[in-house]
This record gives sequence, C-alpha cells and structure tokens, in this order.
Amino acid sequence: GAGVSQTPSNKVTEKGKYVELRCDPISGHTALYWYRQSLGQGPEFLIYFQGTGAADDSGLPNDRFFAVRPEGSVSTLKIQRTERGDSAVYLCASSPTRDYEQYFGPGTRLTVT
Amino acid sequence: AQRVTQPEKLLSVFKGAPVELKCNYSYSGSPELFWYVQYSRQRLQLLLRHISRESIKGFTADLNKGETSFHLKKPFAQEEDSAMYYCALPSTGRRALTFGSGTRLQVQP
Repeated sequence: GAGVSQTPSNKVTEKGKYVELRCDPISGHTALYWYRQSLGQGPEFLIYFQGTGAADDSGLPNDRFFAVRPEGSVSTLKIQRTERGDSAVYLCASSPTRDYEQYFGPGTRLTVT
Repeated sequence: AQRVTQPEKLLSVFKGAPVELKCNYSYSGSPELFWYVQYSRQRLQLLLRHISRESIKGFTADLNKGETSFHLKKPFAQEEDSAMYYCALPSTGRRALTFGSGTRLQVQP
C-alpha cells in the first residue's frame, strides 16, 4: 500500500515569507507526527495529532509554527515569517493508534534564504 | 527528561567485519527502544524494536537496563548495510519519539 507522502519535496523561500508543508499519512492511521531534522541531527519532535486534534504541540519552537489536521487525515504544517534558522528537513510520520512504531514520509527540505 | 546518546558520528568497517553501533539512554521507567535506519535517498524506516526480539537483516539489539544501553550489532557487515542509524525511544509520558543524533555506518569492500 501507499506510504506516507509529503509535498513539496523541496521548498526554497525568502526570509519573512509564509510556507505550508503537506503530509498525507497512511490510510487508517489515526496518529500523525511532525518532526524537524537539522543537518547532523536526529529528528526532533514538533507536534502530534490524534485524529483531528493536536494532542501534543509541546515541540513547536514558537508561535510562528502551526499545524492542522481538519479531517483527521491530511495535515499541513504552517510556518509564518520564516527565518533562516527554520531551514531543515521536515518529516511527517503516522502510526496506528496504539503503537509506538512510526512510518515516516520522505520529508520536505525547506531552505530559507 | 529522556535522552538518547549515540557517541559515534561515523563508524567505518570492512565487509565481513563485526559491527556494533552504540546507543545509551536515560529514561524514567521501562522504555521501549527502537533502531531506525535511513539508506541513501530513502526515507527513515524502522529496523527493529526491542520488544519484538527479532533479528532483522542480521542485526540484533539487546536492552541492557543496568548499563542503560541498546547497542545494535551484526556479526558480519555487508556493503548494503551502509546507512544512517538512529536509536530512539518514546518521550516520557508522550507518544513522540526522542532520537539520538545518529551514526553513519560505512561498510567498505
């Protein structure tokens, strides 16, 4: 079956601009996660959805970052007033409700110039 | 707070040599530990988890609670094992995973 998909695969934007990153999880997976991976580091947690609601957004670095999952499937990560420090690979993962095993998408590489 | 430490950024071995990728953790309670792998130009994927006690692609990992370690081992490395390896565990009281910084394994011919 289809795995987790993310679009776009690459995004280059100018400092101060707004960006949206999309994640399409595995069908039937109720849990969805966003992570950010900077060069030379492991993925760092941003936000977790269970269904439509954000069950844990403690990893969001500041209020410029926001994510939604209005119908409990596709999720969008939104970043306002982008900064050069936001440059990273943004990873999405999904999992069945009661399992810690997470299935990752290919990531979106965001470059803020 | 939980923490995962992978002390080696790079591990280079020759084909057929034994491999041990180190992972140490700090966690309150009984953790569930994972090894994820990322091959070149591929997505991050689960390699193995300690509760399943399986050997995947010849790799095994034993949880040592006394040493708080979960080292990944393979007796005879293959060139196709070259990849980035990440150790991870669930964040305390949360479903998100905490990852180590990763170890790049290079298996030379």
